[in-house]
Amino acid sequence: GEDVEQSLFLSVREGDSSVINCTYTDSSSTYLYWYKQEPGAGLQLLTYIFSNMDMKQDQRLTVLLNKKDKHLSLRIADTQTGDSAIYFCAENNWENYGGSQGNLIFGKGTKLSVKP
Amino acid sequence: DAEITQSPRHKITETGRQVTLACHQTWNHNNMFWYRQDLGHGLRLIHYSYGVQDTNKGEVSDGYSVSRSNTEDLPLTLESAASSQTSVYFCASSDLGGNSPLHFGNGTRLTVT
Repeated sequence: GEDVEQSLFLSVREGDSSVINCTYTDSSSTYLYWYKQEPGAGLQLLTYIFSNMDMKQDQRLTVLLNKKDKHLSLRIADTQTGDSAIYFCAENNWENYGGSQGNLIFGKGTKLSVKP
Repeated sequence: DAEITQSPRHKITETGRQVTLACHQTWNHNNMFWYRQDLGHGLRLIHYSYGVQDTNKGEVSDGYSVSRSNTEDLPLTLESAASSQTSVYFCASSDLGGNSPLHFGNGTRLTVT
């Protein structure tokens, strides 16, 4: 079945770049997403990439997609203490649910800790 | 501003009791979803709805039910609460289209004793 894997923890120093990696299994996924969860809150969409793209940049965020290896990464430049959160990778679950983005398969989340 | 709200934020109940968690959105979204978040499992889909009177089972639907009588609300009912249902529950909504973001509520922390 479909699965999304990501490492559970990442620790970086303030000002450094953070790279969070994710692998997925559903080759039919049209969109791949990164969500951010701050303590006590729900998830918030950070960015997404369409499957026919290799890279997407949005201010400090860079998303890289390697479709051949089914590998997705999120790079945060100049990481700040306010970036400390859990980051979830997600893919569409087209095989079971089809169209809507809500039928996503989420990874377990990577907890990013930023040390001053 | 449009929003999605969940209530209560925290709930403690006893095994065997029926519990209903509320979810209300003012985005006018057709799609609504319930997830549970557990350590070591990430988020798992419980039930979802694509519109009024439409409900569908997700990955972990056993022991849960939903109803969709209007666009704004998708209450989640635990028919007979079990300790395995202790979790944080998130409601979400979205518009149509793969690039439409999921909007999440702030969650309900449910403890079944």
